Amino acid sequence: DAGVIQSPRHEVTEMGQEVTLRCKPISGHNSLFWYRQTMMRGLELLIYFNNNVPIDDSGMPEDRFSAKMPNASFSTLKIQPSEPRDSAVYFCASRVSGENEQFFGPGTRLTVL
Amino acid sequence: AQKVTQAQTEISVVEKEDVTLDCVYETRDTTYYLFWYKQPPSGELVFLIRRNSFDEQNEISGRYSWNFQKSTSSFNFTITASQVVDSAVYFCALSEAPRGFRGAQKLVFGQGTRLTINP
Repeated sequence: DAGVIQSPRHEVTEMGQEVTLRCKPISGHNSLFWYRQTMMRGLELLIYFNNNVPIDDSGMPEDRFSAKMPNASFSTLKIQPSEPRDSAVYFCASRVSGENEQFFGPGTRLTVL
Repeated sequence: AQKVTQAQTEISVVEKEDVTLDCVYETRDTTYYLFWYKQPPSGELVFLIRRNSFDEQNEISGRYSWNFQKSTSSFNFTITASQVVDSAVYFCALSEAPRGFRGAQKLVFGQGTRLTINP
């Protein structure tokens, strides 16, 4: 079975550019989570969805960040405009409602120059 | 507010030694879940174990064991007879279980403990 799929795996962009990260959760999973990992702040939740509906976006740093889940098999995290301090590894995770384990994708390493 | 503290930033031991990674948590919820994840040098996050707040039974899985003590709000992880392949960053995490939602919700992670096993 395919795990959580994230693309791209690596992204290098220049400050001010728009960045879109993509996630395909495990089939049948109805909760999706976006996390960010940095040296300074560790792993922190940005936003999560249940049944495609955003439940808690309190971790989204600022208005430059937005996330969507148009259907059960796809989510995007967009940063516009990007800044060097957005450089981090962004993880997507999914789980089945009623279960507890979150399964993580391989992450997208974002570098903003 | 929920909080997870992993006081050990880095641990280095020689292969075959036993090593314990500490995790202390804070929560006001009576129902919650605790997790351990492993992040090897390749970067992915690998689920190791989940515990719910009503189950204080310790668990053993091969060389791995976990000690959950509600009285001290701790969920420590021990690797017996460590191996070089155990080298990784290990994260302890906590999740609430609010009413109306089945299962755990968002994870609050500790800062992680970097474990290095030297040959």
